[in-house]
Order: sequence, then C-alpha cells, then structure tokens
Amino acid sequence: DAGVIQSPRHEVTEMGQEVTLRCKPISGHDYLFWYRQTMMRGLELLIYFNNNVPIDDSGMPEDRFSAKMPNASFSTLKIQPSEPRDSAVYFCASSPGTSGGAIQETQYFGPGTRLLVL
Amino acid sequence: SQQGEEDPQALSIQEGENATMNCSYKTSINNLQWYRQNSGRGLVHLILIRSNEREKHSGRLRVTLDTSKKSSSLLITASRAADTASYFCATDANDYKLSFGAGTTVTVRA
Repeated sequence: DAGVIQSPRHEVTEMGQEVTLRCKPISGHDYLFWYRQTMMRGLELLIYFNNNVPIDDSGMPEDRFSAKMPNASFSTLKIQPSEPRDSAVYFCASSPGTSGGAIQETQYFGPGTRLLVL
Repeated sequence: SQQGEEDPQALSIQEGENATMNCSYKTSINNLQWYRQNSGRGLVHLILIRSNEREKHSGRLRVTLDTSKKSSSLLITASRAADTASYFCATDANDYKLSFGAGTTVTVRA
C-alpha cells in the first residue's frame, strides 16, 4: 500500500485566499484524522471521521475551517479565508478501526502539507 | 488539549547508549502509543501498550505502563544515529481519538 497520501506537500498563499488540503487514506481504513502541528501548540487534532461521517470536530479552530469526506478514499480540509496564524504543518492520518484486529487503534500518518500564509 | 506530557523535552546521547523518556497523563486510558517523527516527516507508530499490560518489547524498544501512576516510559537500547528524532506519547481513551504530548527530541551523537 502507498500509505496515506497528502497533497499538496507545500502551499504558500496570501492572507484571505482559500486553501484546500487533500488526503487519501489507506484503503480499508475506517477512521480518518486531520491534525495541525505548530511549534507553539504541538500536535492538535482538528477533526476525525468514522466511515466518512464526522465524529468530533471540536478541535476545528473556527468557522473558517471546514472538512469533508465524500467517500472512503478522499477527504479535504478547507480554510477560507486563510490567515497568517493558520501557517502550520497539516497532517492527515488513518486508522483501521474495528477491521484492524490487534492494530485497530494505530494511526498511519501522511507526510503532511506545510502551509505558509503570507 | 494535550493529555500526555513527555519528560525530558530534549535528550542528547552517544551512539550505543540507551535513551529513556517518560510520559505522564491525566485521565483513564484504553491504550497508550508511542510515535516517532523525523525532521520534516509524518509521525510513525512505534508501539502500543494496552491499559491491562505493564511492559512490551519491540526490537530495541521497551515500553512500560503504570496506570496507578498514570505514567509510561520508552527505552531505546543501543541507540543509533538513525534514532535521532522526536518521540511522542499519545493516549487513547477508547474512542480512537489520540491526545499527543509535546514530545521529546532525541539527538544521538556519532
């Protein structure tokens, strides 16, 4: 398996622009997670999905952030409008869930998208 | 919010030495996991220990869990330069949602 795929790997944009981050989880995984990592706040869970349904979005900073999972193989995280304080590395991770047996809770991370908002 | 807190924040050791880092957490857990992050990369799962387990081994890694003290330790034996990375503990309260600590940065000197 190719692992979790994220695109783009790097994004530089100007304040006020819309940013869309994409994620393809590992095939067969039931859970998908979006995280944000900064030096100041560490690794924060933004939202996670189970079988394409959002379960907990309490970590989403504000209404400017939205996430969707239209099918089992694709998810997007959108920031509109973007602000300089959104600059961070955004990770997508997936987990087998109940189909994973002994490793059901293990999370597999993508390489991340490094976002810089000027 | 971060539940797991690692100690120390940073660790520098000579190749071949052992590295030990600790993790403390606040609330009851179903399992505790350790992840490694190399600079500029995503996190990689190392080991998972369940709340009813006390010790687990995987290659050069040894993890302990003391639920009475709400703490865990990760020992890397015979360290190598390739072990240079940040190490994170993460707790799972039985809902597949992980709460990560701030991490321990380990530098292995050749």
